[in-house]
Amino acid sequence: AQKITQTQPGMFVQEKEAVTLDCTYDTSDQSYGLFWYKQPSSGEMIFLIYQGSYDEQNATEGRYSLNFQKARKSANLVISASQLGDSAMYFCAMREGHLSTGTASKLTFGTGTRLQVTL
Amino acid sequence: SAVISQKPSRDICQRGTSLTIQCQVDSQVTMMFWYRQQPGQSLTLIATANQGSEATYESGFVIDKFPISRPNLTFSTLTVSNMSPEDSSIYLCSVGGHTNEKLFFGSGTQLSVL
Repeated sequence: AQKITQTQPGMFVQEKEAVTLDCTYDTSDQSYGLFWYKQPSSGEMIFLIYQGSYDEQNATEGRYSLNFQKARKSANLVISASQLGDSAMYFCAMREGHLSTGTASKLTFGTGTRLQVTL
Repeated sequence: SAVISQKPSRDICQRGTSLTIQCQVDSQVTMMFWYRQQPGQSLTLIATANQGSEATYESGFVIDKFPISRPNLTFSTLTVSNMSPEDSSIYLCSVGGHTNEKLFFGSGTQLSVL
């Protein structure tokens, strides 16, 4: 089974609207972390937001928020007030274990969602 | 967040040659990783760069093809050896620390092999 599943290969959103990018994950670990990255056409990977499995509050970073539903194993990214500069590939990723305890394993990435913001 | 400088940002190389990619961080970090992103694909971990010891490679990647150095806690290099067109990819370094669970990426190296 895929560890990270992004079911939307492409999404369109109108400028100033909100958009939700879906991500579901599969792990038997109790300790893990979930990440979202943005990759513009330049190829760099820009960190957007992080959610730890023990974090009780949903993570927020400016216009980005992570809708973390642990029981459903979903970690959807919500972008509010979309801007033209948000057009890019978006990757969801998971790391099982924690760096601080030395149990961390590699990041596993989903296949990505290409977001296009329109006027 | 750490400032990560990755060089070169892009290169076009001839088959059979080698390219060394550098990753410099502005602060000491515990973990450094190298990823490959083939055209239109997601990211795949090549190896974990260990300071002072040999890198830990993922299945399908070997030291002879992708030698890695990490002489200190702020710097690492990845060499793509004896290149073929199949090595055309974006290569990215990633860093993280014990006190911060977040992982950040360098700007990437876009490699094209002719």
